[in-house]
Amino acid sequence: EAQVTQNPRYLITVTGKKLTVTCSQNMNHEYMSWYRQDPGLGLRQIYYSMNVEVTDKGDVPEGYKVSRKEKRNFPLILESPSPNQTSLYFCASSGLASGETQYFGPGTRLLVL
Amino acid sequence: KNEVEQSPQNLTAQEGEFITINCSYSVGISALHWLQQHPGGGIVSLFMLSSGKKKHGRLIATINIQEKHSSLHITASHPRDSAVYICAVRGGAQKLVFGQGTRLTINP
Repeated sequence: EAQVTQNPRYLITVTGKKLTVTCSQNMNHEYMSWYRQDPGLGLRQIYYSMNVEVTDKGDVPEGYKVSRKEKRNFPLILESPSPNQTSLYFCASSGLASGETQYFGPGTRLLVL
Repeated sequence: KNEVEQSPQNLTAQEGEFITINCSYSVGISALHWLQQHPGGGIVSLFMLSSGKKKHGRLIATINIQEKHSSLHITASHPRDSAVYICAVRGGAQKLVFGQGTRLTINP
């Protein structure tokens, strides 16, 4: 089954404690992206990647890091989480052709205390 | 002003009604997406459009590139269509910019 998986699905942590949210896809997609969703602000892009070792900033990259060492994985790293990073996070992937559908992961709900 | 504006923000209708959700954008785009987010939070891609019209079951999406406007229509609406519908535009470099979403509630 074609899918994008994220782990963990729910996470409560404290300010400053480094964490990683994993994202994996089994569709051999070149493009992967991270978004956060906040009430009143909608979905906003954090980082995206066009292929292995190719990453670029989205609209809200501050406080986040990503890496793309393998095509299937695109982890999101919060080196020193802060309460304003409390949010619902989505990973997504697609091919690069213009007609490609974007597939979303189930979401990770993060609470930073 | 947001680059992507959706209207209405909230819409409540009775089962069977014809639904229209609008999306206007202010930037040049290579494609426009319509997404559906159910109360559980999961997001599903409904359509990707670069021109014209697409239909899938009871859902129809249209886009007018000259007017920078897209509409999502639902025919014979059903309570299971209740969800948040999100318009997103793809500009250069695969970046997606999202509208605020339209919360649709269909009452039986």
